[in-house]
Amino acid sequence: KQEVTQIPAALSVPEGENLVLNCSFTDSAIYNLQWFRQDPGKGLTSLLLIQSSQREQTSGRLNASLDKSSGRSTLYIAASQPGDSATYLCAVRRDNYGQNFVFGPGTRLSVLP
Amino acid sequence: DAGVTQSPTHLIKTRGQQVTLRCSPKSGHDTVSWYQQALGQGPQFIFQYYEEEERQRGNFPDRFSGHQFPNYSSELNVNALLLGDSALYLCASSHFLDSYNEQFFGPGTRLTVL
Repeated sequence: KQEVTQIPAALSVPEGENLVLNCSFTDSAIYNLQWFRQDPGKGLTSLLLIQSSQREQTSGRLNASLDKSSGRSTLYIAASQPGDSATYLCAVRRDNYGQNFVFGPGTRLSVLP
Repeated sequence: DAGVTQSPTHLIKTRGQQVTLRCSPKSGHDTVSWYQQALGQGPQFIFQYYEEEERQRGNFPDRFSGHQFPNYSSELNVNALLLGDSALYLCASSHFLDSYNEQFFGPGTRLTVL
């Protein structure tokens, strides 16, 4: 059974700092991995999707890497801003035909002005 | 282009009642999945609908049921509500044959069971 963990559970940093969020999964047989952002009480916003054959994806100040063999992904946020404050969730999917994402519990990020 | 929409935004029910939540997928999408997110936790997969049939199901009891309509919109029904059903219910849509199969989520319905 796939299990996804995220470290740290919460993080508080001053504005402008670069930071790394970690995601680990127990079963390396994944199809893809997706990083999401969630503002309090709101739905999920997709940030980056990495296919199992890819090593990383970039979008603006965000860079996500994937090491499938070790069961790890990292989300790197450059030059953090107060608007980046949110919960960041990673989710892994087993195959192409299902929507059966397994989510981690999330990392709650606070960027202080 | 409208994204995924869900209704209602908030709902308050009492134990034992039944509830129906609704979801309209993003334009061009044909697959809808439902998730339950308890406070402070990641979303848990409930089930997925494609071509008006339930294709996959997570570890949820039969009290949770769904439906998909010909226009790809979907409903989630929960019978005999329990206090533990209080959660944010999220709907996600995608295109079944899209090789990337990226999921797009709606804003959620906050269900409170008293």
